[in-house]
Amino acid sequence: QVQLQESGPGLVKPSQTLSLTCTVSGGSISSGDYYWSWIRQPPGKGLEWIGYIYYSGSTYYNPSLKSRVTISVDTSKNQFSLKLSSVTAADTAVYYCAGSPNSGYDPIFDYWGQGTLVTVSS
Amino acid sequence: QSVLTQPPSVSGAPGQRVTISCTGSSSNIGAGYDVHWYQQLPGTAPKLLIYGNSNRPSGVPDRFSGSKSGTSASLAITGLQAEDEADYYCQSYDSSVVFGGGTKLTVL
Repeated sequence: QVQLQESGPGLVKPSQTLSLTCTVSGGSISSGDYYWSWIRQPPGKGLEWIGYIYYSGSTYYNPSLKSRVTISVDTSKNQFSLKLSSVTAADTAVYYCAGSPNSGYDPIFDYWGQGTLVTVSS
Repeated sequence: QSVLTQPPSVSGAPGQRVTISCTGSSSNIGAGYDVHWYQQLPGTAPKLLIYGNSNRPSGVPDRFSGSKSGTSASLAITGLQAEDEADYYCQSYDSSVVFGGGTKLTVL
């Protein structure tokens, strides 16, 4: 059973870069069986997909966030990471990492991390 | 403003049937993209409930069903139980992954 765990600072200052890592256990990122995504949820609000990465390093980002987002993968550590630059209070959210099967269709998120709250505040 | 529109809330008594709608457009659901549904219990991560419009993952009770027609989709829950009280989200694709705004289900 694949498990995902987010980690990273819970507090980031405005204008700085938010950095999170997702560690995958119970399966290998290098298997190519899954695409790996970041999804966020502002307090009391809905879900917003940020982007995904494949083990090869290929990425696809939400156009609304593309200019500020970088997702990378470290197959040796079985981890993938998110960097979101120039953050504001609007980026305060619970950030989830999630896995979607490499099925050739649009993403279906069947594995989720527990989520980590990141607050943007000075 | 979500690309997919869901009612903010629905409610029903135990044992009743409720439906949650997800309305899109010709660029997402109407373009043939599948709809998936997630259940988010309070304080937890979302859980995949329905995929590919009407398919249930292993372990999801058959009280939950999904359908799609035209530019809309629906999630139906029959035999409502107290443990079904949660937020429900639909998801599809429109140049990128898009979610509905979510619907809070209250079991009266």
